[in-house]
Amino acid sequence: EVQLVESGGGSVQPGGSLRLSCVASGFPFSDRYMDWVRQAPGKGLEWVGRVRSKGDSYTTEYAASVKGRFTISRDDSENSLYLQMNSLKTEDTAIYYCTGAKSGNYHGYLGHWGQGTLVTVSS
Amino acid sequence: DIQLTQSPSFLSASVGDRVTITCRASQDIYSHLGWYQQKPGRAPKLLIYVASTLESGVPSRFSGSGSATEFTLTISSLQPEDFATYYCQQRNHYPLTFGGGTRVEI
Repeated sequence: EVQLVESGGGSVQPGGSLRLSCVASGFPFSDRYMDWVRQAPGKGLEWVGRVRSKGDSYTTEYAASVKGRFTISRDDSENSLYLQMNSLKTEDTAIYYCTGAKSGNYHGYLGHWGQGTLVTVSS
Repeated sequence: DIQLTQSPSFLSASVGDRVTITCRASQDIYSHLGWYQQKPGRAPKLLIYVASTLESGVPSRFSGSGSATEFTLTISSLQPEDFATYYCQQRNHYPLTFGGGTRVEI
């Protein structure tokens, strides 16, 4: 059974930092691109960014709204994905989902999702 | 960025109805489109990818079609468990983008 379990969410003041973690099981984590997607309260889905697999040199992509503030990384030995969030803004308040992309040529589609972790940025 | 516009944003339907949701892209994305279902308080779930390929385990009453800039998701006979919000998503260019969602309610 595929599982993605996020942790690290919570409340933080504007300008602060937070690190989210996600532990994966039930699928070949190291082979897959991994993404973070967020959803502000009552709003739609927003892609945050991606880290590719070792085969693609762990390169990353980010949404413009978080580029330079957020960093995505992974530890394949621990089947873990991370999201380091710095200089947080109130508009970063959202549920953050850890997602695993489908394999091969279908890596643009997000086939596995965690339950999400809530990040609240407020003074 | 590629903009995806879904219509309608809200849809009222009954069990057994045939439902169609449209997603229009701001530029040609070939067949690089997926559809997701999200129920309240739950994570989204991939239903369809490459515009028309059904994800494993997804009921056959769901189908997708289209290419280039216009795509549709069809539910042939709406079931009680299908009341949810549906999102399209493109993977042709970074950043990956989602449509604004279509909420399907009774």
